[in-house]
Amino acid sequence: QKEVEQNSGPLSVPEGAIASLNCTYSDRGSQSFFWYRQYSGKSPELIMSIYSNGDKEDGRFTAQLNKASQYVSLLIRDSQPSDSATYLCAVNRPGYALNFGKGTSLLVTP
Amino acid sequence: DARVTQTPRHKVTEMGQEVTMRCQPILGHNTVFWYRQTMMQGLELLAYFRNRAPLDDSGMPKDRFSAEMPDATLATLKIQPSEPRDSAVYFCASGPRGGNTGELFFGEGSRLTVL
Repeated sequence: QKEVEQNSGPLSVPEGAIASLNCTYSDRGSQSFFWYRQYSGKSPELIMSIYSNGDKEDGRFTAQLNKASQYVSLLIRDSQPSDSATYLCAVNRPGYALNFGKGTSLLVTP
Repeated sequence: DARVTQTPRHKVTEMGQEVTMRCQPILGHNTVFWYRQTMMQGLELLAYFRNRAPLDDSGMPKDRFSAEMPDATLATLKIQPSEPRDSAVYFCASGPRGGNTGELFFGEGSRLTVL
């Protein structure tokens, strides 16, 4: 079973702080890594993708990848209450379907 | 604006009944996925189509579930007979031609309750 593991949370951070979400995966053949955001009662929405080791920044979001450690993370700077959601880590091999973690619930408190 | 359309949005049925869920992928997308989401298991892949051909249905219970793409604008997921453990939200997602199979656009989901 190829696993994607995330801490279920909830992770609670104050408004304006940095939220750090982590994910580990077991399939060393994985080459693409994604973060999806899912608001309660809504569908998942792609917010970040990363394909090579290092950092990738997009606005307040930074994805980090370390293939040697099989570790992916998402940093959210200047967290806002509107960032409160479940964040799903997902990985895949080329041409294969995504394998999702169960998600980390983030709560940003005003 | 382009979006994945799923019907029905909500379905309540009794055990043993047939359930059919439909999905219209985004025009021009050539990959279609069915995922099931529950609190316990999270998002589980049920079926994956590329250019209407099934590529992966290893996560789908074959005795009661079936998935098809009769044409490029319609994907269906059928459960017959349904059981209470099938209660979940079923998501359809599509991906663009030439894109990474991880860059998906999800429909709003079909929430199924089997009594």
